Amino acid sequence: TQLLEQSPQFLSIQEGENLTVYCNSSSVFSSLQWYRQEPGEGPVLLVTVVTGGEVKKLKRLTFQFGDARKDSSLHITAAQPGDTGLYLCAGVVNSGGSNYKLTFGKGTLLTVNP
Amino acid sequence: DTGVSQDPRHKITKRGQNVTFRCDPISEHNRLYWYRQTLGQGPEFLTYFQNEAQLEKSRLLSDRFSAERPKGSFSTLEIQRTEQGDSAMYLCASSFFRTSGSTDTQYFGPGTRLTVL
Repeated sequence: TQLLEQSPQFLSIQEGENLTVYCNSSSVFSSLQWYRQEPGEGPVLLVTVVTGGEVKKLKRLTFQFGDARKDSSLHITAAQPGDTGLYLCAGVVNSGGSNYKLTFGKGTLLTVNP
Repeated sequence: DTGVSQDPRHKITKRGQNVTFRCDPISEHNRLYWYRQTLGQGPEFLTYFQNEAQLEKSRLLSDRFSAERPKGSFSTLEIQRTEQGDSAMYLCASSFFRTSGSTDTQYFGPGTRLTVL
């Protein structure tokens, strides 16, 4: 059962365009993290969001955590070829225990063409 | 560079052989996680340690899999009698966990790509 649904699964755009990718779930997360992964490498952390409604900016990337902490979005402005990669969202469902294992979506594979 | 490191980066083995992977976490991180990622999927949780204690194992971790973190620093993941279905990227992540209710930001290593022929 996929706890986190990411959309779109694939996205191919031209340099300079804007884009948004989505991460949705029926579960409430105590925190949510976005990672970027390149082929043959491990995921690299971009941001952690914790508070419902929280917005974080990282240069041209804007991350938003839904008010109910069930969904998140990543918006990229003026995409560049260097943004190409697999974008993964991962949530922590913390039921009061101490295991903060991450549950990942399948990812959005972004290709930015020059 | 003091990030998470994993060794080897690639491993090709024949079905039935045993393999062992190593993970060195970020210094002073008390938590270490193992995940497995197959093609087209996000990583899936396998097990985690807090210091040297293994606190949880996923149902994905069959009896052929064993993980250790003997001194609370590096960890090893061993797969016995490998099967073709074990082919995947094995990822290690570490974090510094303070108290329940706080976040536990995990930093990943580059992974070990296992191919079972």
